[in-house]
Amino acid sequence: NAGVTQTPKFQVLKTGQSMTLQCAQDMNHNSMYWYRQDPGMGLRLIYYSASEGTTDKGEVPNGYNVSRLNKREFSLRLESAAPSQTSVYFCASSVGFQETQYFGPGTRLLVL
Amino acid sequence: KQEVTQIPAALSVPEGENLVLNCSFTDSAIYNLQWFRQDPGKGLTSLLLIQSSQREQTSGRLNASLDKSSGRSTLYIAASQPGDSATYLCAVKGGTYKYIFGTGTRLKVLA
Repeated sequence: NAGVTQTPKFQVLKTGQSMTLQCAQDMNHNSMYWYRQDPGMGLRLIYYSASEGTTDKGEVPNGYNVSRLNKREFSLRLESAAPSQTSVYFCASSVGFQETQYFGPGTRLLVL
Repeated sequence: KQEVTQIPAALSVPEGENLVLNCSFTDSAIYNLQWFRQDPGKGLTSLLLIQSSQREQTSGRLNASLDKSSGRSTLYIAASQPGDSATYLCAVKGGTYKYIFGTGTRLKVLA
């Protein structure tokens, strides 16, 4: 039982490049989330998916897109990376929106 | 707009001491509050989840309390150990799927 897994662990991009961050959970959870963590800012929600087939914007969605591929997988795409998107990205999942959230180990992204 | 504050930002205590971490929030209309632990370079681990109808939750040496009317939660750690050294985050969930996180308290327990 791996919990929440994220790939890659670390990535360096040049400004304007695109990439997709992958997230998968094996706990049969309905809800999934993408956060970014920046020094002094706390974690901020980028997008969430309440259930398979639905996605909604969080607090800081600009510059990102998401896909809930199936119940297990929720990907985050940066279409044209900017230095302001340098951050640590966390994926999380929960049974439902009232329940405990379980986090992945994070992806460290550096945009030059 | 909900704001979550954790004070102090950092704390050092000798091993064995009982300690209290504080979390305050500005909007008392919450569904639940969750305390997390984050080790350096790692993800978050959930410690305790308190629903809005509850006053406290306990797990081992940890006890979390919630006072919605005053907009405060505390995490009590009994008999602290060096292994408790980490950053502790609280997060508040309001009427959406969104958790609002505090910036955390960085705890160091000295052996």
